[in-house]
Amino acid sequence: DTEVTQTPKHLVMGMTNKKSLKCEQHMGHRAMYWYKQKAKKPPELMFVYSYEKLSINESVPSRFSPECPNSSLLNLHLHALQPEDSALYLCASSQDSGFEQFFGPGTRLTVL
Amino acid sequence: GIQVEQSPPDLILQEGANSTLRCNFSDSVNNLQWFHQNPWGQLINLFYIPSGTKQNGRLSATTVATERYSLLYISSSQTTDSGVYFCAGGGSYIPTFGRGTSLIVHP
Repeated sequence: DTEVTQTPKHLVMGMTNKKSLKCEQHMGHRAMYWYKQKAKKPPELMFVYSYEKLSINESVPSRFSPECPNSSLLNLHLHALQPEDSALYLCASSQDSGFEQFFGPGTRLTVL
Repeated sequence: GIQVEQSPPDLILQEGANSTLRCNFSDSVNNLQWFHQNPWGQLINLFYIPSGTKQNGRLSATTVATERYSLLYISSSQTTDSGVYFCAGGGSYIPTFGRGTSLIVHP
């Protein structure tokens, strides 16, 4: 199974809402990533988890809070987002940091 | 960090044409991937190719690590090849994405 799944596919939320994005992989990968992608731009790295520990936080605002409950799951908790946070949020995994990455289909987020 | 430059930024082809996409790196990379992002946003793995040449159907890729570039060849293009092609590469850790090549294939 070389699949990374993400839920939900689409999410619309207000600036006062709290929501979570979920990502799951069953490839036994030990590195998992969150990326943010705006239209006509490349994916932009947000967070990296390696062996379930946060290893990279690319200076992301605290309104984004990642969580890695176990080696297969990665969550991104959202709170008090701004309209400019509207984007495609992509999850990826790899065997270890620096190895081939596999991406999920993404969650398209709209903040009103 | 490593800088990744992709060319051309935009490409328009007629169905059946061939094309070459290029990716230049500012420093040596230990991991290098080519992706195709379809209109729905899904990033599809094309090649993991830190060095050498690989082929998969109508697509092939070559990375010359010593000269810090990689090429993606698309032959006999089809309308389903439309989308954005990204290369991503890194030293020993997290890959850096290029800005992509936007490809449109007309029937």
